[in-house]
Amino acid sequence: GQNIDQPTEMTATEGAIVQINCTYQTSGFNGLFWYQQHAGEAPTFLSYNVLDGLEEKGRFSSFLSRSKGYSYLLLKELQMKDSASYLCAVMDSNYQLIWGAGTKLIIKP
Amino acid sequence: NAGVMQNPRHLVRRRGQEARLRCSPMKGHSHVYWYRQLPEEGLKFMVYLQKENIIDESGMPKERFSAEFPKEGPSILRIQQVVRGDSAAYFCASSPRLDSQETQYFGPGTRLLVL
Repeated sequence: GQNIDQPTEMTATEGAIVQINCTYQTSGFNGLFWYQQHAGEAPTFLSYNVLDGLEEKGRFSSFLSRSKGYSYLLLKELQMKDSASYLCAVMDSNYQLIWGAGTKLIIKP
Repeated sequence: NAGVMQNPRHLVRRRGQEARLRCSPMKGHSHVYWYRQLPEEGLKFMVYLQKENIIDESGMPKERFSAEFPKEGPSILRIQQVVRGDSAAYFCASSPRLDSQETQYFGPGTRLLVL
């Protein structure tokens, strides 16, 4: 079966760095997406990885290792507004997105 | 370019009534996806449609739920004889085409409450 695993909840301190991990097992692979979802709002796109390595975009970076079925989202210089759920999703061989349950990130002052 | 639009944003129904949720994809997007999200849970895929075609409805309950994406007009997710367990946020997303690693863009969602 297809499976996306990510921690349920993480806590970090304002100004610090946090890494949210995602492991996956899917039928085929056409890329991995990270989305941010604030409570009561729609998910918004953060990043897309299809090749191994690190993609940096401002304070956010995303890493992919296809051989290990593993990705992480790295958030630097955390701000209170980064408190949200972070969703990992993998596009399978049929170009369908398979979603993880999300990681709720709590930022403390 | 307007984003994905959904209406209503909030919908209250009594048990046994019908709920009709609408989604207008982004301009130029011909693929629509519907997801359900229960409180404190992740997104659950329901159905994937193109204009006038249901491509994948493997995530949609076999009874009471139906979806369409007509040639003209928005995509509609219809829930008949709603029950309390149908209370959830229903998100619609759109993308340009299938054979593409295009990002799915999400609408603001419809929050359905069944009393």
